[in-house]
Amino acid sequence: GAGVSQSPSNKVTEKGKDVELRCDPISGHTALYWYRQSLGQGLEFLIYFQGNSAPDKSGLPSDRFSAERTGGSVSTLTIQRTQQEDSAVYLCASSLAVDRGYEQYFGPGTRLTVT
Amino acid sequence: AQSVTQLGSHVSVSEGALVLLRCNYSSSVPPYLFWYVQYPNQGLQLLLKYTSAATLVKGINGFEAEFKKSETSFHLTKPSAHMSDAAEYFCAVSDQNYGGSQGNLIFGKGTKLSVKP
Repeated sequence: GAGVSQSPSNKVTEKGKDVELRCDPISGHTALYWYRQSLGQGLEFLIYFQGNSAPDKSGLPSDRFSAERTGGSVSTLTIQRTQQEDSAVYLCASSLAVDRGYEQYFGPGTRLTVT
Repeated sequence: AQSVTQLGSHVSVSEGALVLLRCNYSSSVPPYLFWYVQYPNQGLQLLLKYTSAATLVKGINGFEAEFKKSETSFHLTKPSAHMSDAAEYFCAVSDQNYGGSQGNLIFGKGTKLSVKP
C-alpha cells in the first residue's frame, strides 16, 4: 500500500514569508508525528496528533509554528514569518495508534531552505 | 526523562567486516528502543525494535541488537557489512512516563556508516 507522503519535497522561501508543509499519512493510522532534522539539532520531535487532536504542543520551537490535522488524515505544519534557523528537513510519521510499541512509518521529508 | 547517546558520528568498515554501532540510553521507565536507518534524501526506515520481550532482537537486512539493562546499551551489529549498508543509523527511545505515552521518539545524533570495498 501507499506509504506516508509529504509535499513539497523541497521548498525555498524568503525570510519573513509563511510556508505550509503537508503530510498524508498511511490510511487508517490514527497517530501522526512531526519531526525536524537539522545539522545542529539532529532529529527533534515537534508535535503529535491523536486523531485530529494535538494534546501537547510544547515541542513546537516557537509560536510561529502551528499544525493541524483534519478528517483524521492530512496534516499541515505552518511556519509563519520564517527565519533562517527554520531551515531543516521536516519529517512526518504515522502509526496505527499513539503507543510506544507501534512502529512509526516516516515520509521522505520536506527540505525547507530559508534565504 | 529519556535520552539516547550514540558513540561515534562516523564509522567506517570494510566490506565483509563486522558492523558495530553503539547506543546507550537513559530512561526513568523500562524503555522501548528502536534502530532506524536513513538513506540519502529519504525518510527513516525501521530496522528493529525492543519492546521488553527477547533481549536479542533481529531485524531486517541481517542486523540485530542486544538489549543490556546492566549496561544501559542497545548496540546494533551485523556480522558482515555490505556496500548497500552505507547509510546513517539512528538509535531512538520512545518517550514515556508513568502518566502515559505520547509515542514520540527521542533520537540519538546518528552514526554515518561507510563501507569500503
